[in-house]
Amino acid sequence: GESVGLHLPTLSVQEGDNSIINCAYSNSASDYFIWYKQESGKGPQFIIDIRSNMDKRQGQRVTVLLNKTVKHLSLQIAATQPGDSAVYFCAENYGQNFVFGPGTRLSVLP
Amino acid sequence: KAGVTQTPRYLIKTRGQQVTLSCSPISGHRSVSWYQQTPGQGLQFLFEYFSETQRNKGNFPGRFSGRQFSNSRSEMNVSTLELGDSALYLCASSSQGGSPLHFGNGTRLTVT
Repeated sequence: GESVGLHLPTLSVQEGDNSIINCAYSNSASDYFIWYKQESGKGPQFIIDIRSNMDKRQGQRVTVLLNKTVKHLSLQIAATQPGDSAVYFCAENYGQNFVFGPGTRLSVLP
Repeated sequence: KAGVTQTPRYLIKTRGQQVTLSCSPISGHRSVSWYQQTPGQGLQFLFEYFSETQRNKGNFPGRFSGRQFSNSRSEMNVSTLELGDSALYLCASSSQGGSPLHFGNGTRLTVT
C-alpha cells in the first residue's frame, strides 16, 4: 500500500500498553474536533469526535481530551493492539472546513 | 450503507495532460469535500460542494476544479498536470457542515 507521511513523528508502544497521541490545533474559534486513523492504502477513518463545550469524551478503548486554554487535543488508546498501528490525524473545524494536523505514526511493538 | 466510493483507484498521467476523478458519497450525504494528501504537505483542503454549489475553496490554483451533480456525486478535474500534482486525492462526504467527514480510499495520481 501507499505510505503516508514518510517523515511523520512516530510513537512506539508495547502491545498492551496505553498510547497517548497529542495534537496542537491552530484556531481558538474551532468548535469541533475529530480524530482519524489512516492505515496504509486506505482513507482516514473516523475514530472519535468532541465539541468545544466538552473537555473529555470516551469511546470504546479511546478517550479524547480537549484543553481549549492551550489549544491542545489528545487521543488516548487503552491496551494498544497491533491493529492500532496506523497514522493518526486530528482535525479541527471552524466555519465549514476541517483543517488537519500533520499526523503521528503509531507503531505497536510485539 | 455503502461508504464513499472513489474511482479510479490509480492513475498515471503525463505532464500537461488533464485528469478527472470521481466520487460517490454516502447515500443521503449532500456535502462532498476533496483533499490532496502528500507526504510533505499532509492533508490539504481543495474544495467543498453542497447541493451542487461550491461552498468553500482552498488555496490551490485554478487548474484544480470540481463539480457536483444533482445526485450528490462529485468530480474533480486537474488540467495541465504538473509533477507536483502527484498525490493521493481523497474525497469525503458528510450530511451537513460541522458533521464528521467520511472518507473514501482515494485515487492515487502519479504524474510522469
